[in-house]
Parts: sequence; C-alpha cells; structure tokens
Amino acid sequence: NAGVTQTPKFRVLKTGQSMTLLCAQDMNHEYMYWYRQDPGMGLRLIHYSVGEGTTAKGEVPDGYNVSRLKKQNFLLGLESAAPSQTSVYFCASSYLGRGDTQYFGPGTRLTVL
Amino acid sequence: AQSVTQLGSHVSVSEGALVLLRCNYSSSVPPYLFWYVQYPNQGLQLLLKYTSAATLVKGINGFEAEFKKSETSFHLTKPSAHMSDAAEYFCAVSKSSGDKLTFGTGTRLAVRP
Repeated sequence: NAGVTQTPKFRVLKTGQSMTLLCAQDMNHEYMYWYRQDPGMGLRLIHYSVGEGTTAKGEVPDGYNVSRLKKQNFLLGLESAAPSQTSVYFCASSYLGRGDTQYFGPGTRLTVL
Repeated sequence: AQSVTQLGSHVSVSEGALVLLRCNYSSSVPPYLFWYVQYPNQGLQLLLKYTSAATLVKGINGFEAEFKKSETSFHLTKPSAHMSDAAEYFCAVSKSSGDKLTFGTGTRLAVRP
C-alpha cells in the first residue's frame, strides 16, 4: 500500500496563476483533508470531505476550492494564486471520522512569486 | 471548543538524556489525544494516541505519554534521546472520532551529540 500520495512535490507559481494539487489514498478511507503548514502556526485545515461527492470548509478556506469526485482522490485548487498562499500543503485521510487517526501524505511545497 | 497548547516551540536535549515535550489540552468532554512526529521534509506520522483506555500510552520508537485528567496534560516522554529523534512533534485533541482534530503549534526537538 502506498498510503497517501501527493502530486506534485514542489511547484512555483506566479501571482494570478492557477493550479491543482492532487491527493490519492489507497486505504479506502471515507474522510480526507487538506491542510496548510506555515512556520509557527502549526497545521490549519483548509477543506475536508466526509465521503465521495462531499466537501466542507475548514478554518482557512478562502482562495481555495476542492473536489472529491472519486473516493480515493481529493483535489485542491487555487484559482488565482497569491503570495500569501506560499506554504507547504498536506493531504490526510482517516477511516472513522475527523477525530480519528489521520494519515498524512508527504506534502507539496508551493511558492507563489 | 477544544484546544491544545504545547509549551516550548523549541527543545534541545543531549543524546541519551530524557525527552519531555509538554502538551496541555482543554476539552469539555473526555478527549481523544494524539502525538504526531514530523521528520524534515516529510508528512506527519502518528506516534501514539489516547482514547480513554489505559492512561499510560506507549508509542513507536520508545515514546510514551501519560494522560493526566487533573492536570489536563498529555506530555510526551522518552527515557533516552537518539539523534534520530530530532524532528517536530505535534500534539492534537478531538472530542470523539466524529469531531474535528485540533493541532498544537508544534515543538521542534533538537538532539545534541
């Protein structure tokens, strides 16, 4: 099992450009999450999904959109990137619920110039 | 709403010394408590979790944590630090498997030779 994988690992964007981050999990988990990690701020939840076809807002959803068309995939989109979105993005998944053990991907380091 | 506080954003110990990383939580109900570790340039991985069974929880790599309700604490310890323990450690709390998971801001552990 690969667990949780993320594509790409690194990306540099110019302000205003768009991109999509892909997360895939092979553990048949219902719940999936997108976090951003910034120095001194820990992990902040952007969006999450409680099952295929569902999405919900987290703590810091502005400027991001998500889709969960297939159970194993969770996509994070930036429609018009801003320098404030420079961060490391982590995808995670869990089986029983949001408060259950979450399994994390290796992260995507995004720089917006 | 539940919250978690990690005292000390940076902790430095000598190799072979005791590791003590502090975590205090607030929760209106008996919590689920987690410790995650993040090695450089990697995602988070679960070290251990408490879900209202034994108050002393043993995790991977020789780490353990004790749930102390009277002190609202869940400190992480390891008797003897190894160089390989250098990483960032996150405490997290939820009210149940169905509730959201709230992370602390992390403690970076450095191990001196």
